[in-house]
Amino acid sequence: DTAVSQTPKYLVTQMGNDKSIKCEQNLGHDTMYWYKQDSKKFLKIMFSYNNKELIINETVPNRFSPKSPDKAHLNLHINSLELGDSAVYFCASSHENRGETQYFGPGTRLLVL
Amino acid sequence: GNSVTQMEGPVTLSEEAFLTINCTYTATGYPSLFWYVQYPGEGLQLLLKATKADDKGSNKGFEATYRKETTSFHLEKGSVQVSDSAVYFCALRSKTGSARQLTFGSGTQLTVLP
Repeated sequence: DTAVSQTPKYLVTQMGNDKSIKCEQNLGHDTMYWYKQDSKKFLKIMFSYNNKELIINETVPNRFSPKSPDKAHLNLHINSLELGDSAVYFCASSHENRGETQYFGPGTRLLVL
Repeated sequence: GNSVTQMEGPVTLSEEAFLTINCTYTATGYPSLFWYVQYPGEGLQLLLKATKADDKGSNKGFEATYRKETTSFHLEKGSVQVSDSAVYFCALRSKTGSARQLTFGSGTQLTVLP
């Protein structure tokens, strides 16, 4: 009964490839997020969706495109992967009107070679 | 804009020692404040939170008090255990505006030795 799940857990790929990371939450939340954690553990917001609408889009390259097919899913597609994209990507979710605690997935460890 | 400053790590303590991890913030208005913990190889878990001035969040023996005067939310525990070894993140979230994302501090690595 995982609350926020991500797939895959590990992703090793070559520069220039296109890859996707999937996120699903079964908490009934209406808002989902993608965060990037770099090698120094620093966490930064990338995107946020509320009820399938984009509400936060920080300064990330347009090679990164989030897609939310429904309120329970927020996927992250990355085109033309670069070495600097290597990081841990965390999905999170929250319910805006029922408390603001964000619940995080286990992370996807992306390594670009 | 919002920002969170945490004491730099790593912090190494012996079991049963007293722990303090300092956290100060800059924000417009009165944000909600959080401590998250990340155990090795895992995602972030909420440890505790406080939503208004003078609130004290507590969980698993950890405590933090929302101090408006000093814009601080320091994390404390009276007696740490080896199992507390993890990275601790202080974070804030604005209560107003459309952008409600968490703004994190840089994280503090804690290692507790037996």
